[in-house]
Amino acid sequence: KAGVTQTPRYLIKTRGQQVTLSCSPISGHRSVSWYQQTPGQGLQFLFEYFSETQRNKGNFPGRFSGRQFSNSRSEMNVSTLELGDSALYLCASRGGGLTDTQYFGPGTRLTVL
Amino acid sequence: KNEVEQSPQNLTAQEGEFITINCSYSVGISALHWLQQHPGGGIVSLFMLSSGKKKHGRLIATINIQEKHSSLHITASHPRDSAVYICAVTNEKLTFGTGTRLTIIP
Repeated sequence: KAGVTQTPRYLIKTRGQQVTLSCSPISGHRSVSWYQQTPGQGLQFLFEYFSETQRNKGNFPGRFSGRQFSNSRSEMNVSTLELGDSALYLCASRGGGLTDTQYFGPGTRLTVL
Repeated sequence: KNEVEQSPQNLTAQEGEFITINCSYSVGISALHWLQQHPGGGIVSLFMLSSGKKKHGRLIATINIQEKHSSLHITASHPRDSAVYICAVTNEKLTFGTGTRLTIIP
């Protein structure tokens, strides 16, 4: 089975722009979660989608949004980028149960200038 | 106070040494995960525990639900074990510890 894939792997944007990141889960997995990793805050949960519905959400401003398509692929959007949004954005997929093992993608490294 | 605390933050050891990384949490959980992150960012899930002990090769993970504590042990450590080890707990969502940076010197 192919692993979780994320595109693009690297991205450079300027303040005020918006960005869309994509995540393709492992085939058959219905849950996709997104995480932000920064040196200062470590790993933080952004949101989880299951069967096209947001199942859970972390403590991030409304500039961060996501969606999931019927094929379980997910996108994450950040609008009005700030310097502090520079981070590694990771997605992870799992079958669907809350205690199922999560499989992480390689991440998208976003730099905001 | 963080919901998930790890210790130590950094650990340097000689090849062959027995390694222990600790994780304490303060919330109710349905499962605890140990993750490994190598330079470059990729994260691999090592263990998921809800009770007892699990072993995979040279890695052993234990959890004490009553004490809200878990340990990750590495036996016969090797330089390729050098990575950041992250504890995470599931209570509707994943909440992460700050990680332990392990360096094994040949």
